[in-house]
Amino acid sequence: DAGVTQSPTHLIKTRGQQVTLRCSPKSGHDTVSWYQQALGQGPQFIFQYYEEEERQRGNFPDRFSGHQFPNYSSELNVNALLLGDSALYLCASSPGYGYGYTFGSGTRLTVV
Amino acid sequence: DQQVKQNSPSLSVQEGRISILNCDYTNSMFDYFLWYKKYPAEGPTFLISISSIKDKNEDGRFTVFLNKSAKHLSLHIVPSQPGDSAVYFCAASAPAGGTSYGKLTFGQGTILTVHP
Repeated sequence: DAGVTQSPTHLIKTRGQQVTLRCSPKSGHDTVSWYQQALGQGPQFIFQYYEEEERQRGNFPDRFSGHQFPNYSSELNVNALLLGDSALYLCASSPGYGYGYTFGSGTRLTVV
Repeated sequence: DQQVKQNSPSLSVQEGRISILNCDYTNSMFDYFLWYKKYPAEGPTFLISISSIKDKNEDGRFTVFLNKSAKHLSLHIVPSQPGDSAVYFCAASAPAGGTSYGKLTFGQGTILTVHP
């Protein structure tokens, strides 16, 4: 049983560019959350998608946007990249409301 | 505003001894708490959780204690094994109806090293 799959695993982008990260949730899970983990910090909640709508949002600027598709997979888009956006981006899926979160291995984004 | 804090960046213990990882929180609306373990190049893996209606939950070598009055929780690992060496995160969430439901608020993590 495949868990949460994220792609790509590593990415290097230039300041000002745009990036799209992808996530396929664990089978049977319909809710996807995105987290940003800066070096030496704990993951910080970006937003959560359920039934193709953003259900909750953390304290991140509008440059961060997302999408959920009918098959429950999700994308995280970041526009106008800043050096400070360099981090590990984690996707977590869960079965609707509840705490059965499964995390992916993350995408390491480096902005130069 | 750091609502969940792990004040010890690192902890070193001998194999076979007890590891105690601590976590403090400030938001009294939190009612569910989780511990995750993270190895390098992997995502966090769920370890154990506790609801605020309990003060203790056990799962094998892992026990989580919750002291609501002190807004403090701890994870005990007994006996510690070298394979337990990882970064441990505590996380908290608020109940349904609140704006934080489903969102996890994480601490900064504690690096546990278990020496053979």
